[in-house]
Amino acid sequence: AQRVTQPEKLLSVFKGAPVELKCNYSYSGSPELFWYVQYSRQRLQLLLRHISRESIKGFTADLNKGETSFHLKKPFAQEEDSAMYYCALSGVNAGGTSYGKLTFGQGTILTVHP
Amino acid sequence: DTEVTQTPKHLVMGMTNKKSLKCEQHMGHRAMYWYKQKAKKPPELMFVYSYEKLSINESVPSRFSPECPNSSLLNLHLHALQPEDSALYLCASSPTLPGQGTYEQYFGPGTRLTVT
Repeated sequence: AQRVTQPEKLLSVFKGAPVELKCNYSYSGSPELFWYVQYSRQRLQLLLRHISRESIKGFTADLNKGETSFHLKKPFAQEEDSAMYYCALSGVNAGGTSYGKLTFGQGTILTVHP
Repeated sequence: DTEVTQTPKHLVMGMTNKKSLKCEQHMGHRAMYWYKQKAKKPPELMFVYSYEKLSINESVPSRFSPECPNSSLLNLHLHALQPEDSALYLCASSPTLPGQGTYEQYFGPGTRLTVT
């Protein structure tokens, strides 16, 4: 079974402060991890995927297999970062391909105050 | 066209009604998905279609009936729903088929369904 845990339902920071949204996962095989973001009244959109190791809107996330974590970080938060953030996992079989099922964490609402 | 579109945006239906939700994408994606999302909760997978064939059904009640008429369209037929089925219904598509490589999903804006 695959499970994703986001321990913080709500996270508040001030503009310019560093922010870290935590994500831990449970999966017996090799997972693919993603971060999705949902801004107010907008559609759910992909923010990051661990395989590409990219930085989007200043956010980065590193997959730590030892700690089974995929925390999302940004050194200087902006007000426009306020949104709901979901960590998601897709199971990958022994051949390295995806099973096609995306499991989401419960989400963290990030509020960045001016 | 690089978006997933969904119609209608809002739908109110009675428990005896029959209605359909529509999803469309023209990105050439061959995997399409239906999710149900309650307020402040994550999306829950309902169905997965690969090459217009149903590949995953997450034990969804038969009052929800999906249909994939072609590679660009995905429908969700609704009949005899219950008030607890009220939710945001999301459609998504993916450029990679399940079981054929890493993938990411692109979501539509959703249909807000209210069952009275």
